[in-house]
Amino acid sequence: RKEVEQDPGPFNVPEGATVAFNCTYSNSASQSFFWYRQDCRKEPKLLMSVYSSGNEDGRFTAQLNRASQYISLLIRDSKLSDSATYLCVVTGDSNYQLIWGAGTKLIIKP
Amino acid sequence: SAVISQKPSRDICQRGTSLTIQCQVDSQVTMMFWYRQQPGQSLTLIATANQGSEATYESGFVIDKFPISRPNLTFSTLTVSNMSPEDSSIYLCSVEDPGGVYNEQFFGPGTRLTVL
Repeated sequence: RKEVEQDPGPFNVPEGATVAFNCTYSNSASQSFFWYRQDCRKEPKLLMSVYSSGNEDGRFTAQLNRASQYISLLIRDSKLSDSATYLCVVTGDSNYQLIWGAGTKLIIKP
Repeated sequence: SAVISQKPSRDICQRGTSLTIQCQVDSQVTMMFWYRQQPGQSLTLIATANQGSEATYESGFVIDKFPISRPNLTFSTLTVSNMSPEDSSIYLCSVEDPGGVYNEQFFGPGTRLTVL
């Protein structure tokens, strides 16, 4: 079983729609959780950290469920520029060790 | 967040040669990391580079193949030694956000390596 699992997609979504991704992780000791965004042939960029109580940043909402060991990302009113691969990341046995999911590809269509 | 640059941005190398990748940060950071991202795959941590001590390598990566230097708090190098086509990948350095609370990491633009 992979340490961090994501649906690879692609998710093909019309502009303006709402889309949600889930991610599950296997290490119950993980302390920090993130969503990164990676555009084609670019480096990953931090989208948002995921707080225990859930957090929102504009059109983006992240939730953490420690009991079930999953993280979600919701994108509302999707834009063409949201097209990218979204990477779910959790810390490993030490807080600086990041374990990366393989990513979910999102394609927003006009 | 820190501004990170990498050199070279890309290279095409012959089998059996070595390439040294440089990573420069615009501020002092304690921890720097080297990752590999093979085509179509996610990131894999190669090693953690701390100033003043030997790098810590992850399972499957060894110092002879990927020697790392960390001479100061703003700079690190990763060498890919005795390259084979299987080493073709994007190599990324990252730093932990010194002002971060949740161990966020920020990445350089990457070095795209092709080994013939």
